[in-house]
Amino acid sequence: QSVLTQPPSASGTPGQRVTISCSGSSSNIGSNTVNWYQQLPGTAPKLLIYSNNLRPSGVPGRFSGSKSGTSASLAVSGLQSEDEADYYCAAWDDSLNGPVFGTGTKVTVL
Amino acid sequence: ELLLVESGGGFVQPGGSLRLSCAASGSTVTSSYMTWVRQAPGKGLEWVSIIYSGGSPFYADSVRGRFTISRDNSKNTLYLQMNSLRPEDTAVYYCAKQASPLTGWFDPWGQGTLVTVSS
Repeated sequence: QSVLTQPPSASGTPGQRVTISCSGSSSNIGSNTVNWYQQLPGTAPKLLIYSNNLRPSGVPGRFSGSKSGTSASLAVSGLQSEDEADYYCAAWDDSLNGPVFGTGTKVTVL
Repeated sequence: ELLLVESGGGFVQPGGSLRLSCAASGSTVTSSYMTWVRQAPGKGLEWVSIIYSGGSPFYADSVRGRFTISRDNSKNTLYLQMNSLRPEDTAVYYCAKQASPLTGWFDPWGQGTLVTVSS
């Protein structure tokens, strides 16, 4: 079951900035760090952002993350065609004693 | 660089069993926290189970009592024994390494193995 809520879709033209929200509660985002994953069609999820706002080596700088209270956001600046994918947020949930994922957002490049 | 490769998926009837494997190479996962995450067709990601370095397992409510996570350190391999399978267990199953304890930070992920439960 998805405990974190994301918009089902987001879109933009090449070069635009797109933002994806992730809403949780005090037991997950409110007390733990947020991570973001990118899933290209037909492939496994790939870590995009960890610990709220850190990028793994190899992830372009146009991807950035932030967190405030019980919500988090992923921003994609300078949208490119290869950014068309599904994006998921994730955080540990202290009540469930396990990780929880967001509902997922499909990003379309127009 | 750690590489994870899942295997063991397939077609099974409701009530049946399957054992998934996740073979690690490039690095040892003996002292790592390892997890299974699944994705039903056209759906989002769902955490299934996690095993800590000391061997303690935890499960999602949806699979507790039916699934068992384990590891063979001599083979650097993670397993998921799935019993009493239901149609709603149909999904691609991914193994991943939890990069930091008590977080949703998983990296890397395997390519996944498809489990189909149907009569």
